[in-house]
Amino acid sequence: GAVVSQHPSRVICKSGTSVKIECRSLDFQATTMFWYRQFPKQSLMLMATSNEGSKATYEQGVEKDKFLINHASLTLSTLTVTSAHPEDSSFYICSALGHPNTEAFFGQGTRLTVV
Amino acid sequence: EDKVVQSPLSLVVHEGDTVTLNCSYEVTNFRSLLWYKQEKKAPTFLFMLTSSGIEKKSGRLSSILDKKELFSILNITATQTGDSAVYLCAVDGYGQNFVFGPGTRLSVLP
Repeated sequence: GAVVSQHPSRVICKSGTSVKIECRSLDFQATTMFWYRQFPKQSLMLMATSNEGSKATYEQGVEKDKFLINHASLTLSTLTVTSAHPEDSSFYICSALGHPNTEAFFGQGTRLTVV
Repeated sequence: EDKVVQSPLSLVVHEGDTVTLNCSYEVTNFRSLLWYKQEKKAPTFLFMLTSSGIEKKSGRLSSILDKKELFSILNITATQTGDSAVYLCAVDGYGQNFVFGPGTRLSVLP
């Protein structure tokens, strides 16, 4: 099946720094990528939807200046958590939708810890 | 190595049928098991299960977890064509990232 690679799988950073998370579709072109965040004991929450070459669409309550999403190519989307704070510590996961539209495939996720 | 196995991988039924999807897992420090419905858009959350034997229901969908036997089932009654999708099972462990199963592709024919 299709493969989506997310990197890094874990990252620890200091408060105030920025962290970039990459999501790559390895064997298909992803016209759309979704970024999720999971809070403890809760389900995944959709943060934003990004289409290649255009601005991401953010869900209500998600700060677009805080969580910068770039989908510059059909195989790569990045999520940058800017000026990270401890409350940003969470599990972030992407999924990629191929062309022609098929199901979306999840990356392995990134566990971010801000200290 | 942590793993999640789903069966069947593919299923074709007719509207009105009842289906049972299976998910078994081997994960250290199990925390929760989640079911998602994946269509031609963002996967949508269905259930989160943390305790054995407690059935969760949402309309025609229900799910239950057996932590002793390490599996969960997702039931869909009176299926409709709109239920056609890939159903993903994922397991979350303490201190670990999600482990996803391969999914079950359900096709509901009119």
